[in-house]
Amino acid sequence: GAVVSQHPSRVICKSGTSVKIECRSLDFQATTMFWYRQFPKQSLMLMATSNEGSKATYEQGVEKDKFLINHASLTLSTLTVTSAHPEDSSFYICSARGRGWADTQYFGPGTRLTVL
Amino acid sequence: GQQVMQIPQYQHVQEGEDFTTYCNSSTTLSNIQWYKQRPGGHPVFLIQLVKSGEVKKQKRLTFQFGEAKKNSSLHITATQTTDVGTYFCAVNAGNNRKLIWGLGTSLAVNP
Repeated sequence: GAVVSQHPSRVICKSGTSVKIECRSLDFQATTMFWYRQFPKQSLMLMATSNEGSKATYEQGVEKDKFLINHASLTLSTLTVTSAHPEDSSFYICSARGRGWADTQYFGPGTRLTVL
Repeated sequence: GQQVMQIPQYQHVQEGEDFTTYCNSSTTLSNIQWYKQRPGGHPVFLIQLVKSGEVKKQKRLTFQFGEAKKNSSLHITATQTTDVGTYFCAVNAGNNRKLIWGLGTSLAVNP
């Protein structure tokens, strides 16, 4: 099956710093990648959708200047949390979809961000 | 926008008992997906239902899609401790076919 990796798996940072999370499709070309955030005991909340080579589409209420998404290649998308604050602490998960896959997405293992 | 309601939010069962989670939508769905997320893990795709009235089985798991394609259920027969986790339904919406998620049902199984 299709494999999606995320790096790092865990990160702890100080308030005010920026954190970059990478999402890679290892054995397929991901034309679309999705970024989610999940708070403890809650459902996944879609933050943004990114298509390779174009700007990400952000969901309502998600600050695009705070959560920078880059989908520069068909195998890599990055999410940068800028000037992180403790309330940004969460589980960030990406998923990826290949060309012609219709509704199928494969999820990365997630990145747990803790902002002190 | 598209919403999907999922109940119950929590379910605590004794090992060997059955478990069911339900998802409902006010609008007709093109399809519905089910995922399982273990504690500390990421969502793992279980199945996608597309056809009206569809029933699919995976060992002890039975998935149903309603005749009107507005509701779906996941039933686990004779739960085991390995079934512990949160079960989510998700539906596709929008031009990007993004997933709209139910709130999930957290299953705890007493050995």
